[in-house]
Amino acid sequence: DVKVTQSSRYLVKRTGEKVFLECVQDMDHENMFWYRQDPGLGLRLIYFSYDVKMKEKGDIPEGYSVSREKKERFSLILESASTNQTSMYLCASSPGKGIYGYTFGSGTRLTVV
Amino acid sequence: GEDVEQSLFLSVREGDSSVINCTYTDSSSTYLYWYKQEPGAGLQLLTYIFSNMDMKQDQRLTVLLNKKDKHLSLRIADTQTGDSAIYFCAEKRGYSSASKIIFGSGTRLSIRP
Repeated sequence: DVKVTQSSRYLVKRTGEKVFLECVQDMDHENMFWYRQDPGLGLRLIYFSYDVKMKEKGDIPEGYSVSREKKERFSLILESASTNQTSMYLCASSPGKGIYGYTFGSGTRLTVV
Repeated sequence: GEDVEQSLFLSVREGDSSVINCTYTDSSSTYLYWYKQEPGAGLQLLTYIFSNMDMKQDQRLTVLLNKKDKHLSLRIADTQTGDSAIYFCAEKRGYSSASKIIFGSGTRLSIRP
């Protein structure tokens, strides 16, 4: 089974800190995604990547950046954390073509104080 | 519209059938999915249907697709307490490796005794 691993389940950071959320997948998937999930708002796409060193903005990229130096790893960076970035962050990967849906990690619940 | 729409909440009695409805946006969507999210976890792919099908059954789950109305439903027979979760409807637009999956806001299913 494909595994998508997010490095932390829970994280508490201070306002203004630089925050790194790491995601690793083990099935050689081309595509990787970062979402945030907030009650009543569903999943909102922050950034995605179709290949190493490639990145595309999603629907809400402001305040975030990403890095994909290796195929298996996709990092989400909060340059200067703010309280409105308190959320559940979900990473996903997919092979791209065909029926395959996304495989999700377990999520990182980030609290910014 | 651009959004995949679902109602936010559904409450059913244990042992009854649950029907979760979804309206998607793109008549040319190729694949449609149902994901399940248990508390504190990521999303898991529950089932999927090709856009050229109108029904798919998998044990207690039945997916119905009405392409004319762009309506997708998930029926869970003999609903159990373990079915309590958020259910997301999703559509994939296109066939290319760059085709994205668009998610609805999720329906929270609660089971009453």
